[in-house]
Amino acid sequence: GENVEQHPSTLSVQEGDSAVIKCTYSDSASNYFPWYKQELGKRPQLIIDIRSNVGEKKDQRIAVTLNKTAKHFSLHITETQPEDSAVYFCAASKGGATNKLIFGTGTLLAVQP
Amino acid sequence: DGGITQSPKYLFRKEGQNVTLSCEQNLNHDAMYWYRQDPGQGLRLIYYSQIVNDFQKGDIAEGYSVSREKKESFPLTVTSAQKNPTAFYLCASSIRTGYQPQHFGDGTRLSIL
Repeated sequence: GENVEQHPSTLSVQEGDSAVIKCTYSDSASNYFPWYKQELGKRPQLIIDIRSNVGEKKDQRIAVTLNKTAKHFSLHITETQPEDSAVYFCAASKGGATNKLIFGTGTLLAVQP
Repeated sequence: DGGITQSPKYLFRKEGQNVTLSCEQNLNHDAMYWYRQDPGQGLRLIYYSQIVNDFQKGDIAEGYSVSREKKESFPLTVTSAQKNPTAFYLCASSIRTGYQPQHFGDGTRLSIL
């Protein structure tokens, strides 16, 4: 069935360093890839998304890249700050009538001051 | 997002009891979703609704039921048939289906007494 694998499960970086989280999806028909940030006990918040007709998208310190051939996409956070510490989830969807999101298992990012 | 309200924040269920989680949105979104989140796992789709008076099962619908009588409301009932209901439940909505971002409520944490 549809599956999204996310790595690493935990990531610790020093403040100011870059962080990269990678996801691989199984369904080649997937064409919409959002990333969510979830702080402890709070709601997931959409931080960036990308559609399959775009290879890269950037928003300030956050960027997402997509490799459709390899069926993987990555989140890049530059100049990390302590407030970036959270769990990050990737997801994949085929869009269409359901917009059903298949989520990865999450990455706990810890930014050490 | 302030436009999606889930209640209660914490809920306790006794054995053999049905409980209902509330989700209300004032964003005029057509589509609404219910997810379950367990520790160390990604979000899993329980039910979704694209339009009033219509809803579809997600990946883990067994033991749950929903209704969509009004556009702004999508309550989830956790029935006694759900043997492992302890989890964090998240409601989401999107303008419509397709490539539309899903926005989440603050969640309800359900525990067994």
